[in-house]
Amino acid sequence: QQPVQSPQAVILREGEDAVINCSSSKALYSVHWYRQKHGEAPVFLMILLKGGEQKGHEKISASFNEKKQQSSLYLTASQLSYSGTYFCGTGGGAQKLVFGQGTRLTINP
Amino acid sequence: EAGVAQSPRYKIIEKRQSVAFWCNPISGHATLYWYQQILGQGPKLLIQFQNNGVVDDSQLPKDRFSAERLKGVDSTLKIQPAKLEDSAVYLCASSSLRSPINYGYTFGSGTRLTVV
Repeated sequence: QQPVQSPQAVILREGEDAVINCSSSKALYSVHWYRQKHGEAPVFLMILLKGGEQKGHEKISASFNEKKQQSSLYLTASQLSYSGTYFCGTGGGAQKLVFGQGTRLTINP
Repeated sequence: EAGVAQSPRYKIIEKRQSVAFWCNPISGHATLYWYQQILGQGPKLLIQFQNNGVVDDSQLPKDRFSAERLKGVDSTLKIQPAKLEDSAVYLCASSSLRSPINYGYTFGSGTRLTVV
């Protein structure tokens, strides 16, 4: 079952904040977050495992709510380099990562 | 460390022709994946290998797609015969441990296939 991401697209000015949500209809064991720039391969950002932890990576952090079966990615004080399409990938205990449809983030100067 | 290598980078073929893609994962990575990414969509898993054994190929169209990973290192994905709807980017990824779901995947640059 493919996770659902929202919003589908976001346009920000440099320095603004963004939140990208990822929801699943199935129980989650782990959530991966990746960023893909146009014409390039997806790049791993972070992973959250069952336990509801929050992780951070510079000004990019994420949370994982098992009960709600969802994860959120937070981008603080966005930079031009943050532009791209963000994908969440969700998996159950039997592995197999299923990716969402993506959220396109555009950062303007 | 060297990344995941894929070739060719681009391929244009006519429908009903055959095509093959090659992938060399990061050294020591036991798990290898082939994903299909259609324009504007998220990557879709085609097949997952653990060493040279298949873990999941439930979404591989086996009437036309085949994949192998000999000796548990590099892998090839073949399409024969190709259809117009196979036009996509084919991404190879690898992950290091027995529980790859716990660790991030490293993707190659992909092969962009256009079927005309």
